[in-house]
Amino acid sequence: KAGVTQTPRYLIKTRGQQVTLSCSPISGHRSVSWYQQTPGQGLQFLFEYFSETQRNKGNFPGRFSGRQFSNSRSEMNVSTLELGDSALYLCASSLTPWEVTGELFFGEGSRLTVL
Amino acid sequence: AQKVTQAQTEISVVEKEDVTLDCVYETRDTTYYLFWYKQPPSGELVFLIRRNSFDEQNEISGRYSWNFQKSTSSFNFTITASQVVDSAVYFCALRKTSGSRLTFGEGTQLTVNP
Repeated sequence: KAGVTQTPRYLIKTRGQQVTLSCSPISGHRSVSWYQQTPGQGLQFLFEYFSETQRNKGNFPGRFSGRQFSNSRSEMNVSTLELGDSALYLCASSLTPWEVTGELFFGEGSRLTVL
Repeated sequence: AQKVTQAQTEISVVEKEDVTLDCVYETRDTTYYLFWYKQPPSGELVFLIRRNSFDEQNEISGRYSWNFQKSTSSFNFTITASQVVDSAVYFCALRKTSGSRLTFGEGTQLTVNP
């Protein structure tokens, strides 16, 4: 079955702009979570969505937001971009947040460069 | 708060050598999951193994094995007879039994040389 799909794979923005990243989970998966990966901070949890509701949020400023649609696809938005927002943004999906296997399936990520 | 520490930043071995990646974690939860993920240059995190906190049995899966010791909060991962294709960044991660939030370690860059 198709894996987690993230678009775009690469993008370049300038400071002050905003960006929207998209994630399509594996078919049938209803939980989507987002992570930011940077060389300095490593992998950090952004937020988690299930059934269009945000269930959990990491320690990021309000410039970072997200949403989930009825088909489980998710988007995240970063407004007023800063240089430090340059990162690989990874999306992960699972059947539900509490599934027994506990396995998350990750996409290949969207690499954002802020100039 | 949860924390995962991977003290080894980089490891370099020669093909066919065994290599062990160390992971130490901190959590106040009595039940939790532990994971190892592999990240090749493409960026995708690939699931390798999962262990429940209430099951300390160590297992072997092909060339992979792991040593989970709750008493020392360690979850080490061993690759036997390493291959060049094993070269990647390996992450240890911790998760509560509910929710999808993973706490990752810093990662260990493994390079397997031919």
